[in-house]
Amino acid sequence: DGGITQSPKYLFRKEGQNVTLSCEQNLNHDAMYWYRQDPGQGLRLIYYSQIVNDFQKGDIAEGYSVSREKKESFPLTVTSAQKNPTAFYLCASSIGGRLGYSNQPQHFGDGTRLSIL
Amino acid sequence: AQSVTQLDSHVSVSEGTPVLLRCNYSSSYSPSLFWYVQHPNKGLQLLLKYTSAATLVKGINGFEAEFKKSETSFHLTKPSAHMSDAAEYFCVVSDRGTGRRALTFGSGTRLQVQP
Repeated sequence: DGGITQSPKYLFRKEGQNVTLSCEQNLNHDAMYWYRQDPGQGLRLIYYSQIVNDFQKGDIAEGYSVSREKKESFPLTVTSAQKNPTAFYLCASSIGGRLGYSNQPQHFGDGTRLSIL
Repeated sequence: AQSVTQLDSHVSVSEGTPVLLRCNYSSSYSPSLFWYVQHPNKGLQLLLKYTSAATLVKGINGFEAEFKKSETSFHLTKPSAHMSDAAEYFCVVSDRGTGRRALTFGSGTRLQVQP
C-alpha cells in the first residue's frame, strides 16, 4: 500500500533542543511539503521540495530546517530558534509540477504532534 | 494573489439532512480547487478536485461541489449527512504562476452531525 509515513506520532521537546520529524513516502512523488497546523487555523507552509537536493522556504520557515537527500525522505528539524513550536505538523507529497504551481492533489501523512516539556 | 475564505467556522446539522459548506476564493489565473477532510489527529484526505473540466465535481462519500466563476465560489454539498461525516473540512486553491506558494488553505469548517 502506497502512502506517507510520519514518525513519531507524538514528540516532546525540551528548551534549547533541536528535534527532527521524519517523513517517508513510497508513492514515487517528486514533490514533498511540510505544513504546520495550529488550532482554528488552516495549514501554513514551512518548506517544500520539488526535486531531490533542492528545497524552498515556505511562509513560516524561520526556526526550521529540512534536507532532501533521497526522493522518499524529507525530514524536518525544529530548531531551538523556533520559539513557539507546539503544533501539529503535517507532511505531504504530490506528483511534481512547475515550481509554484500544481493542479495535482497532495497526499498527507497522519501528522506529528509536537509539544514543549 | 490567491486566497480562500471559508464562510463558516462551524456548521451543525442533523443526521440525514443536507450539508452545505461554503467557500469563496480569489485567484489571478485559472485556479484548481480542492476540498479536503480531516478527522481528529489525522492527516488530510482529498474529497474532490476541480481543474477546469466539468463545473460540477463529484467526490468520495457522496460529496460534490460546484465551481461558479461568476460568484468565485466552490461550495461543498452532500444530500444527507452521516455521523461519520463529522470532521474538519478545508477548501484549498492552487493558482498558476504564484511563485513560491503552491496551495493556499482556508481556515477550515468544523462539521458537527447531531443524531
